[in-house]
Amino acid sequence: GPKVLQIPSHQIIDMGQMVTLNCDPVSNHLYFYWYKQILGQQMEFLVNFYNGKVMEKSKLFKDQFSVERPDGSYFTLKIQPTALEDSAVYFCASSWGGSAETLYFGSGTRLTVL
Amino acid sequence: GQQVQQSPASLVLQEGENAELQCNFSTSLNSMQWFYQRPEGSLVSLFYNPSGTKQSGRLTSTTVIKERRSSLHISSSQITDSGTYLCAGMNQGGSAKLIFGEGTKLTVSS
Repeated sequence: GPKVLQIPSHQIIDMGQMVTLNCDPVSNHLYFYWYKQILGQQMEFLVNFYNGKVMEKSKLFKDQFSVERPDGSYFTLKIQPTALEDSAVYFCASSWGGSAETLYFGSGTRLTVL
Repeated sequence: GQQVQQSPASLVLQEGENAELQCNFSTSLNSMQWFYQRPEGSLVSLFYNPSGTKQSGRLTSTTVIKERRSSLHISSSQITDSGTYLCAGMNQGGSAKLIFGEGTKLTVSS
């Protein structure tokens, strides 16, 4: 089936540093998403993105977070600067349409902030 | 309150037993989906089931929109079915946003 690839699978950084999480969505998909899951807890919506713009972001999407997809390449989540509470698994997803569509998820990037 | 409520929170089965996982969702959601989260964390899409019944192998999903519920039935459970099963729904109106429940953690033992 369609695959969403996330790079890297694990990332360890020191608090205050910048980190960029990369997502290679399904090739013909138009909608992109980031979700955050703290270990053992619920999958939480962070942000969705369409046509080069953020459509909606949750209150978890702090000012230190940003997303972009320059020139149709990777869909990225940047955190600058990172904080301890940013430690979590970040899942990228994509879909062809908006509502009423199956979302395809990547395997996640486990971010550890020390 | 919670837009997606799953029950039970956890379930322990002997291999070969059947499982019935429940998901109740608010009126603000539709286009229900079921995912399996492996113990190491990766997600597998099981069903996109906005209404009716769908079957795939030993798995059957039934969504009854009027009753705001969706279920996942696992027949003849296997040890490899162990993991967390997540129910999620898409919000109606607004931007595309999938809302997840807290999941049912299934443990199947021999």
